[in-house]
Amino acid sequence: QKEVEQNSGPLSVPEGAIASLNCTYSDRGSQSFFWYRQYSGKSPELIMFIYSNGDKEDGRFTAQLNKASQYVSLLIRDSQPSDSATYLCAVIGSQGAQKLVFGQGTRLTINP
Amino acid sequence: KAGVTQTPRYLIKTRGQQVTLSCSPISGHRSVSWYQQTPGQGLQFLFEYFSETQRNKGNFPGRFSGRQFSNSRSEMNVSTLELGDSALYLCASSDQGRRNIQYFGAGTRLSVL
Repeated sequence: QKEVEQNSGPLSVPEGAIASLNCTYSDRGSQSFFWYRQYSGKSPELIMFIYSNGDKEDGRFTAQLNKASQYVSLLIRDSQPSDSATYLCAVIGSQGAQKLVFGQGTRLTINP
Repeated sequence: KAGVTQTPRYLIKTRGQQVTLSCSPISGHRSVSWYQQTPGQGLQFLFEYFSETQRNKGNFPGRFSGRQFSNSRSEMNVSTLELGDSALYLCASSDQGRRNIQYFGAGTRLSVL
């Protein structure tokens, strides 16, 4: 079982719709959860971080965390073509420190 | 505030050579982490340095090493390059007070021929 799992996609969503990206993790003691966006040929860019159960909203983005289910998700409202990218879920596990464990990423395409 | 700076951006080496990559963190950040990204394995943690000390190490062979200087700049070295070392090498810096939030540089793309 991989430590962090994502559906690799590709996920295709029409412009203006809600894109839903999901991630599960295996380390029950994980403390910190991140979503990064990576455009082709570029480096990962931090989109959201969440530490507590529940929802966290920032503009068009909402991160949701459910530690009991070991599940974290990212919702993108009013999707734009510029949101087309690979979205990486990353977790800092129970060992703490600075070791980010990444999922394989979900490739998202927003269709105009 | 300037972001994380990695040099060089691109490198081409041949098998058996060694390479050194450089990373300058965001001003004030004392933690520097290195990651390798390949199409097959994704993003994998190499090691992390804080105050010139290696605090964490990933599952990579000893050919991969690093160091951090007193100004928090970091270098990583790969000796005896193999074809499989071709990858995007990413450096991330973190302000310890912001709960492990890491910001990535643009990366160094290494091609081993």
